[in-house]
Amino acid sequence: DTGVSQNPRHKITKRGQNVTFRCDPISEHNRLYWYRQTLGQGPEFLTYFQNEAQLEKSRLLSDRFSAERPKGSFSTLEIQRTEQGDSAMYLCASSLLPGTSGIYEQYFGPGTRLTVT
Amino acid sequence: KNQVEQSPQSLIILEGKNCTLQCNYTVSPFSNLRWYKQDTGRGPVSLTIMTFSENTKSNGRYTATLDADTKQSSLHITASQLSDSASYICVVSEGGSYIPTFGRGTSLIVHP
Repeated sequence: DTGVSQNPRHKITKRGQNVTFRCDPISEHNRLYWYRQTLGQGPEFLTYFQNEAQLEKSRLLSDRFSAERPKGSFSTLEIQRTEQGDSAMYLCASSLLPGTSGIYEQYFGPGTRLTVT
Repeated sequence: KNQVEQSPQSLIILEGKNCTLQCNYTVSPFSNLRWYKQDTGRGPVSLTIMTFSENTKSNGRYTATLDADTKQSSLHITASQLSDSASYICVVSEGGSYIPTFGRGTSLIVHP
């Protein structure tokens, strides 16, 4: 399977615990994006990387959220001291760099569903 | 504030019928507009991408239109199939920055 993969697919945790999700992008893709999606809503942008550089992180929901992409390949999203409001689907996507038109095709993974009890 | 509004919120149609979904946006400056299909419990899949200069783009039975003057887009689905049952999400990206604005989606149910 050469698509975007995410692990785990489901995570149940107790309030206050830390969780970490992993995303493996399509191998030649330079850019990697993280989104959060709550029930009945569209995805909400969190952050993105170009290779190992995190180019935008102002939309991370709080300082409890952090993301890394240490070698420009896979990425991790960590949530510290989880709260019930963090329960959501966390989506990862990857793409090549935009072409001259500024357009790039973005491919999403299946998501990690987090439930905080 | 950038916003993307989609209508209707949900739609039920019979198999074989056509339907049209609407998207209005206030994102400025405009870079591009995408339509995604999202099956329950899965990540979104791109259907069409349009830039400012494009009015219409088709992908099989899916045809998207864009009116950049009125900041409106539509997605027309022809001869619907049961597999078209999904959420359809409109996404508008701002020129000069990556950050996209997603609509809440239209939930389409196709009945046999």
